[in-house]
Amino acid sequence: DQQVKQNSPSLSVQEGRISILNCDYTNSMFDYFLWYKKYPAEGPTFLISISSIKDKNEDGRFTVFLNKSAKHLSLHIVPSQPGDSAVYFCAASARGGSGNTGKLIFGQGTTLQVKP
Amino acid sequence: ETGVTQSPTHLIKTRGQQVTLRCSSQSGHNTVSWYQQALGQGPQFIFQYYREEENGRGNFPPRFSGLQFPNYSSELNVNALELDDSALYLCASSAGQGRNQPQHFGDGTRLSIL
Repeated sequence: DQQVKQNSPSLSVQEGRISILNCDYTNSMFDYFLWYKKYPAEGPTFLISISSIKDKNEDGRFTVFLNKSAKHLSLHIVPSQPGDSAVYFCAASARGGSGNTGKLIFGQGTTLQVKP
Repeated sequence: ETGVTQSPTHLIKTRGQQVTLRCSSQSGHNTVSWYQQALGQGPQFIFQYYREEENGRGNFPPRFSGLQFPNYSSELNVNALELDDSALYLCASSAGQGRNQPQHFGDGTRLSIL
């Protein structure tokens, strides 16, 4: 049961344009969402997060939007740069449960290619 | 500020053997989580340690076990290795119990089972 889904395995955009990466989730208990970027041979690097009490969070070129009713979040990168080319993972964690763990559930990832 | 470090970077084992992977958490972080990432997939949660105790476990068998030490570093032990255990093993650290706090990852240990 894939609770977090990234339905686009890959995305290609031109340098300077907007990149939009999408993520859908099924568990209504998720209340904290994160985006990570991963280069080959490196671990995931934290980009930006959003709590379910917000619908938007911005950090420089990166903005995450959360639509709770649609159980959908997106990451916007503006403007896109060649160095943004990487695999992007969305992740979510749920309130409640035993141990109050910060267990993250990840999507399968979207490979972004930004062309010069 | 020192980030999350993992050792070794690569490891080759055979079926039935045992392996220990190590992780040093980021300075100031007291929670460590371990994830398994198979090729082409997102990381999957194995377990989390907070203040030297297991604080949540994913859908992994008991032959996956761990430890956290007083300095918050951690070990992942896997017994009776199987071919399907071949994966990238990622360690992540965070403040508190990791709730509503970003987890910061190391570069992982690539484990290959022959």
